[in-house]
Amino acid sequence: EVQLVESGGALVQPGGSLRLSCAVSGFDVGRHFMAWVRQAPGKGLEWVSVLYSGGFPFYADSVGGRFTVSRDESNNTLYLQMNSLRADDTAMYYCARDMNLGLFEYWGQGTLVIVSS
Amino acid sequence: DIVLTQSPGTLSLSPGERATLACRASQTFTNRFLAWYQQRPGQAPRLLIYSASRRATGIPDRFSGSGSGTDFTLTISRLEPEDFAVYYCQLYGSPPPGTFGQGTKVEI
Repeated sequence: EVQLVESGGALVQPGGSLRLSCAVSGFDVGRHFMAWVRQAPGKGLEWVSVLYSGGFPFYADSVGGRFTVSRDESNNTLYLQMNSLRADDTAMYYCARDMNLGLFEYWGQGTLVIVSS
Repeated sequence: DIVLTQSPGTLSLSPGERATLACRASQTFTNRFLAWYQQRPGQAPRLLIYSASRRATGIPDRFSGSGSGTDFTLTISRLEPEDFAVYYCQLYGSPPPGTFGQGTKVEI
């Protein structure tokens, strides 16, 4: 059974950092495209980052230079390192398996990040 | 970038009725395809339709997708109580991922 379980969300001050984790079971993170998608409170969906085969990442313009996506195949986990956080980064962050260059087939339940002083 | 505009913003219907949701792209596209997602309150999104008309695994056949060019439609033939949710369209198939539409809320 495929499962994605996010963790690491928290209340953080503007300018702070946070690392999100997505523990995966049921498939190997190293063999699939993986993504982070976020949703601000009451708003729509926004893809944040995608990690393609060979470790090549893409980032949305809104987070480029501040966020870094990575994976650890030894513990089958996807990460999102978030630096220089801003209030508009406040959102539920979902990890997802990308089955075809942006087609998000499996989703976790999300982890909430709140950026506020 | 291609912008997806969904309409209406909110659709008020009763169980058993037919729902028709629209998604319009700002321009035609190549090497990209259209998907639909459902998001129930408090839940993660769920993939419903890909390649404009193909149902994802486990999706009931009351959900159907159609369209081409710049105009696409998601139809729910007879609304079940669990279908009252927000629906998003999105383009995929070429990096980076396409943006999502703003969503259509189907409410009772």
